[in-house]
Parts: sequence; structure tokens; C-alpha cells
Amino acid sequence: DIQLTQSPSFLSASVGDRVTITCRASQGISSYLVWYQQKPGRAPRLLIYAASTLQTGVPSRFSGSGSGTEFTLTISSLQPEDFATYYCQQVNSYPRTFGQGTKVDIK
Amino acid sequence: QVQLQESGPGLVKPSQTLSLTCSVSGGSITTGGYYWSWVRQPAGKGLEWIGRIYTSGGTNYNPSLKSRLTISIDTSKNQFSLTLSSVTAADTAVYYCARVGSWFGLDVWGQGATVIVSS
Repeated sequence: DIQLTQSPSFLSASVGDRVTITCRASQGISSYLVWYQQKPGRAPRLLIYAASTLQTGVPSRFSGSGSGTEFTLTISSLQPEDFATYYCQQVNSYPRTFGQGTKVDIK
Repeated sequence: QVQLQESGPGLVKPSQTLSLTCSVSGGSITTGGYYWSWVRQPAGKGLEWIGRIYTSGGTNYNPSLKSRLTISIDTSKNQFSLTLSSVTAADTAVYYCARVGSWFGLDVWGQGATVIVSS
């Protein structure tokens, strides 16, 4: 199985901050990486697919980059509604696997 | 737009079989050539991919669950289902159904169904 390691696992930030989350894959996955946002008690929400393509309706302050084994999710200016947990998922091979999550909390 | 809704027992006894159904509304399950997937999440923990099914019935399963798992689809009822046998407390989780969209991202999700395995 492909292992995904997110860093950091937890980060504390303020409204307006630029936030970057990294996802590293244990082997190359080309651009087959997806990012989700999850708020407590809610289902995950698709933010980005194909490593860098923004899902329809997702604000442009979210962006993704990377290929191969290293990927990043960036929030250019953190908004109050962005405090949540973020997960990456590889969709290159089976079984699909998720990173352990990064919780973004209010500083 | 397409909406998904999970249904099934919230409490299952150890060693018994967990069964959940995902009902698709707002569109036909056969339109668009989508795959349909299950994901679970134990309380306070991360996401685990369970498996997926195509409208033809073709499946891919997580090897960690494969010996106990069946995912099926009923296009006449516009729904797909998950069956997990010989459950233990480790199977206690919120179970989500989801649609596999562009580049295999899960773009539509159900609200989740909590399943507790306990005697």
C-alpha cells in the first residue's frame, strides 16, 4: 500500500495567515492526489483533484501543487470557515489511502 | 444535484454482519459512468477507504477488509450497498458513501451513518 504522510499533523494559525500543508507519498503517484476538508460532524468536502485542479465552487484562496511524491495544499489567506481538518488521498493505485490528517486550529 | 443518503442499523452485535445501503437521488446511478464508493472513519480518527463499485458491478476492495466485504449495486432501486461480515469493535465507525468523480476524487458524499459494534 502507498503510505501518505501529512505534515504538520496540527497547526495553529490566525485569520489572514498563509497556510501550507505537505503530503508525502511513499512512492511516486504522478498527479493522482486529492485534497479534502472536513469539519466536525460533517462529511469530507472535495477541494482539489489531480494535485492542482480546484473543484467547482471551492474558493480560489485554496491551491494545490506537486507531483511524484511531494504535494502541498496552500490556503493563501485563512478565513474563519477554513478551520477544519484536511486530508490528502492518493488515487494512483489500490487500495486508495489517505493521509492521517492535518487539523488547522485558531491561534 | 445528486445527493447520497446512507441507511442501516446503527448497532450490530460482534460476529454478526453489518449492512448499509446508499440511496442516490437527483439523478440515475447509471448516468455518467461513475464509480460509487464507501469510506469509514472511527471516532476521532482518520479516513479509511473501503472499496468501490461500478454500475456494471465491477468492484475494487481494500485488501484489509476483502475477506469480509461485499459491495453490490441495484440500479433498479438507484442504490448501492455494503455488507461486512464477522464484525468486531474495530469496525465501529461512521460509514460514508460517496461518488467517484473527476480524476477519482470523491465529489459527492452522504452525511454518514454511525455504526456501533457492541453486544
